[in-house]
Amino acid sequence: EPEVTQTPSHQVTQMGQEVILRCVPISNHLYFYWYRQILGQKVEFLVSFYNNEISEKSEIFDDQFSVERPDGSNFTLKIRSTKLEDSAMYFCASSVDGQGPYEQYFGPGTRLTVT
Amino acid sequence: AQSVSQHNHHVILSEAASLELGCNYSYGGTVNLFWYVQYPGQHLQLLLKYFSGDPLVKGIKGFEAEFIKSKFSFNLRKPSVQWSDTAEYFCAVNARRNQGGKLIFGQGTELSVKP
Repeated sequence: EPEVTQTPSHQVTQMGQEVILRCVPISNHLYFYWYRQILGQKVEFLVSFYNNEISEKSEIFDDQFSVERPDGSNFTLKIRSTKLEDSAMYFCASSVDGQGPYEQYFGPGTRLTVT
Repeated sequence: AQSVSQHNHHVILSEAASLELGCNYSYGGTVNLFWYVQYPGQHLQLLLKYFSGDPLVKGIKGFEAEFIKSKFSFNLRKPSVQWSDTAEYFCAVNARRNQGGKLIFGQGTELSVKP
């Protein structure tokens, strides 16, 4: 069964450094998402991406964040200058369609630790 | 703003006990409803979803959920739990007309089943 994959599984970085989290969505999917979960808190939506542009973003997704689909398979989340509060589990997801009841398939997550 | 509330943070049951996990949402429009499960060390997987029709939906592994529109609820049930059901369970909604398809999650309920 096709899966969403994410690399790395764990990333440790120093405050102020740039990080890039990578995701390979399921190949025939068209919508891509990033979510995050700070330890002990809810899974929160960050951004959705369709047709090479952001379709929706949350308040969390400020100028420090960016997303890109640099080729036909990868979908990346970049944090330009990490802060302590960016420490969280980051989940990538993809779906066939973003409208309606289509299942979003989640990757295993990248645990980001900012020191 | 949309929100999802799960009533129980941690539920502990013995095998063969019945399970009901509460989920309420707040949103003025039409929604799609989902339950995801995260087994230890694994990624989020869809258990079941509701978008229209019969408000009682059946999912994988013997789970079912009932949508009660008047109560804004979508409670998850299983008549007889097994040790292998130990996991974290997340209720989520998205707005029917939301092109981005973002999911709004509840805070999760950790289920521990004692053998």
